[in-house]
Amino acid sequence: GAVVSQHPSWVICKSGTSVKIECRSLDFQATTMFWYRQFPKQSLMLMATSNEGSKATYEQGVEKDKFLINHASLTLSTLTVTSAHPEDSSFYICSALRGLAAEQYFGPGTRLTVT
Amino acid sequence: GDSVTQMEGPVTLSEEAFLTINCTYTATGYPSLFWYVQYPGEGLQLLLKATKADDKGSNKGFEATYRKETTSFHLEKGSVQVSDSAVYFCALSRSGGYNKLIFGAGTRLAVHP
Repeated sequence: GAVVSQHPSWVICKSGTSVKIECRSLDFQATTMFWYRQFPKQSLMLMATSNEGSKATYEQGVEKDKFLINHASLTLSTLTVTSAHPEDSSFYICSALRGLAAEQYFGPGTRLTVT
Repeated sequence: GDSVTQMEGPVTLSEEAFLTINCTYTATGYPSLFWYVQYPGEGLQLLLKATKADDKGSNKGFEATYRKETTSFHLEKGSVQVSDSAVYFCALSRSGGYNKLIFGAGTRLAVHP
């Protein structure tokens, strides 16, 4: 089956620092990946669509200078949370589109805690 | 805007009990509807889907019927197992495919022997 991994699975950082989260499609190539954010007991909210070789498309209300997305290869997309603050603490989930049916395959998520 | 509402959890059941997780949606037109499941420590997995009114999606004993008149897509299973313990997410897509998924908050199911 299609596998998507995320690294790290959890991270704690200090306020003001930057954190990079990786999303990899392990056994397929993905020209499109998505980044979601999930607050406790709330829905996954789409943050941005990441397309290989081009700029990401951000959803309304998501700061593109805050959440930097790079999709430099067909198997890797990265999300960098810049100058993190406690309100950025959340669960970040990525997914990758695979195949002609373009089904989304999800990573296990990364829990970010900013102190 | 489009939205999905799920019943709050957790839902706690004994093995072999009947399961219903309610899901209603708000959207213009005819969205595609999905149920995803997330097992502990794993990513969301597609459980079933329906793309038009009156379609029934089914997989692993789970079923859900796309009801346009009630804007609902309730998940059911006749006899749950301990291995069904997970978080279940209802979602919709207006694009007709898997892009731009809008998720409900998720419902945690715990099944006890």
